[in-house]
Amino acid sequence: AQSVTQPDIHITVSEGASLELRCNYSYGATPYLFWYVQSPGQGLQLLLKYFSGDTLVQGIKGFEAEFKRSQSSFNLRKPSVHWSDAAEYFCAVRRPRGADGLTFGKGTHLIIQP
Amino acid sequence: DGGITQSPKYLFRKEGQNVTLSCEQNLNHDAMYWYRQDPGQGLRLIYYSQIVNDFQKGDIAEGYSVSREKKESFPVTVTSAQKNPTAFYLCASGGQGGVNTEAFFGQGTRLTVV
Repeated sequence: AQSVTQPDIHITVSEGASLELRCNYSYGATPYLFWYVQSPGQGLQLLLKYFSGDTLVQGIKGFEAEFKRSQSSFNLRKPSVHWSDAAEYFCAVRRPRGADGLTFGKGTHLIIQP
Repeated sequence: DGGITQSPKYLFRKEGQNVTLSCEQNLNHDAMYWYRQDPGQGLRLIYYSQIVNDFQKGDIAEGYSVSREKKESFPVTVTSAQKNPTAFYLCASGGQGGVNTEAFFGQGTRLTVV
């Protein structure tokens, strides 16, 4: 069975500092990989996705993520965070070419210090 | 605008009552999903449907039932058999498979059972 681990439950970053959120997955092959963001009481918004090809993917809001097959990781990064980035971030995987749903990590709560 | 509509946003029910949550999409997506979100647990898949008149159980289907009579609609009923129904419920839709079939999420319904 596939699984996703987000090791950090909470992360606090100063505004303007760089950010890296970790995500590791367990899957038999390379799954499709996603990062979503959720504001309190809201739905999820897709930040970026990886299906194949270039292992560094660019997303919305200045985020990027790097797929590392050897480490089974898909870490999310941003060079300079803004107070509006405070939210819950979820990493998710899906079976390639399948439509049987996403498997999510438990999320990382990002706090931005002024 | 294209999107996914969940209604209502907040719902209160007495213990022992069944309750149905609505999900409608106008994105012409074949696949639709229901997830449950609990604090610190991430999102867990309840049911999914890849085509009209067909659906499959997800990881936590017990105590829930669904129907898919129309492509646009995928309601879920939280039955009295669900032991801990209070949660945030998210509906999503996506393409049938392949690339560019990420899931799009509604704004969620917060169900409180008292």
